[in-house]
Amino acid sequence: AQSVTQLGSHVSVSEGALVLLRCNYSSSVPPYLFWYVQYPNQGLQLLLKYTTGATLVKGINGFEAEFKKSETSFHLTKPSAHMSDADEYFCAVSERAGNQFYFGTGTSLTVIP
Amino acid sequence: GAVVSQHPSWVICKSGTSVKIECRSLDFQATTMFWYRQFPKQSLMLMATSNEGSKATYEQGVEKDKFLINHASLTLSTLTVTSAHPEDSSFYICSAPTSGVNTGELFFGEGSRLTVL
Repeated sequence: AQSVTQLGSHVSVSEGALVLLRCNYSSSVPPYLFWYVQYPNQGLQLLLKYTTGATLVKGINGFEAEFKKSETSFHLTKPSAHMSDADEYFCAVSERAGNQFYFGTGTSLTVIP
Repeated sequence: GAVVSQHPSWVICKSGTSVKIECRSLDFQATTMFWYRQFPKQSLMLMATSNEGSKATYEQGVEKDKFLINHASLTLSTLTVTSAHPEDSSFYICSAPTSGVNTGELFFGEGSRLTVL
């Protein structure tokens, strides 16, 4: 069985500060890992994904995440927070292409001016 | 990237009526689509997996007679909330996986907010 844990349902950072959103997963097989952002009253937009290859993946809007198998983690980071980054972020895992996704409970990011 | 479109974005209905939400893959074929429900400030809860040409697979606890899913073609899946009640008010989101360069990725519709009065 697969599961995703996002530590911290709410994270606040100052504008210009480092953003770190945590995601840990459990999977019996090599996982596909994703970070999505949800804008108010909208669906989810993919920020970045890890399927195979390089463990450090870069996404849109300056975000990146590193797959650490030994820690079963896929934390999302951004060096410098911008006010427009304030949204809801979801980590997700799937076993393979086209298979069911399992979502974390989400982290609401607040950026303080 | 691939585009998934949902309609309507917002719907308000009276208690006891039925509401249909459409999910379309605009530029790719989707043999599978996923329907999620999201409560305010919460994560996405998978309701069912829609399969083209066959019956949908429902998650435990989801009433298949209340939430009717039909995957009529490779580009269209519909969710019908039958005899809606206020507790069915929620944000419903569909998604579809793709192949090729976007292998493994889910593309999401814009979501449909249902309010039952």
